[in-house]
Amino acid sequence: AQSVTQPDIHITVSEGASLELRCNYSYGATPYLFWYVQSPGQGLQLLLKYFSGDTLVQGIKGFEAEFKRSQSSFNLRKPSVHWSDAAEYFCAVGTQTDSWGKLQFGAGTQVVVTP
Amino acid sequence: SQTIHQWPATLVQPVGSPLSLECTVEGTSNPNLYWYRQAAGRGLQLLFYSVGIGQISSEVPQNLSASRPQDRQFILSSKKLLLSDSGFYLCAWSNGISGNTIYFGEGSWLTVV
Repeated sequence: AQSVTQPDIHITVSEGASLELRCNYSYGATPYLFWYVQSPGQGLQLLLKYFSGDTLVQGIKGFEAEFKRSQSSFNLRKPSVHWSDAAEYFCAVGTQTDSWGKLQFGAGTQVVVTP
Repeated sequence: SQTIHQWPATLVQPVGSPLSLECTVEGTSNPNLYWYRQAAGRGLQLLFYSVGIGQISSEVPQNLSASRPQDRQFILSSKKLLLSDSGFYLCAWSNGISGNTIYFGEGSWLTVV
């Protein structure tokens, strides 16, 4: 069965420290991978996406993610977090066999940034 | 540029009352349109998607329905709300021709009391 797993429900990080959010997927077909961020009470904003090519993807707000096919992972990273990065982050996966919008989302990782 | 709007932003409705959430997309034509629901503390669940006017696909059996009366308008409805319908509802769109990324509206909070 297809699945997307974000192992960390909650992460606390100090401002200025690095951040890494994990995402693992289980899909039979070639996946298309996304990271979205959601601030409280708001919709989801696309951070970055991977369709093909370079496996290290740069996104907005200083985020990057690396696709590792051998590990079925698409982890999100930021070298130095800012207080404004406190939010919930969702990994999502789609495939060529699905309509583009039929993404499967992970359960999300809540990020708290401390001073 | 493309924009997506959905309303109302917040709604408190009694059990058994009807529901209508509306979503419109501007700046594109023939988009794919979607309704997602986000229950408290959980991820996103795709409820409906539409690839054209009058074409609605339901992903999960439920108390809700969707309609697409115009190319860029997508409506989520219910005749009688249940407590379990409470949640955060997100409308989204993607380019219907080349697929690609989906983009979300700002969401609508529904509390059924």
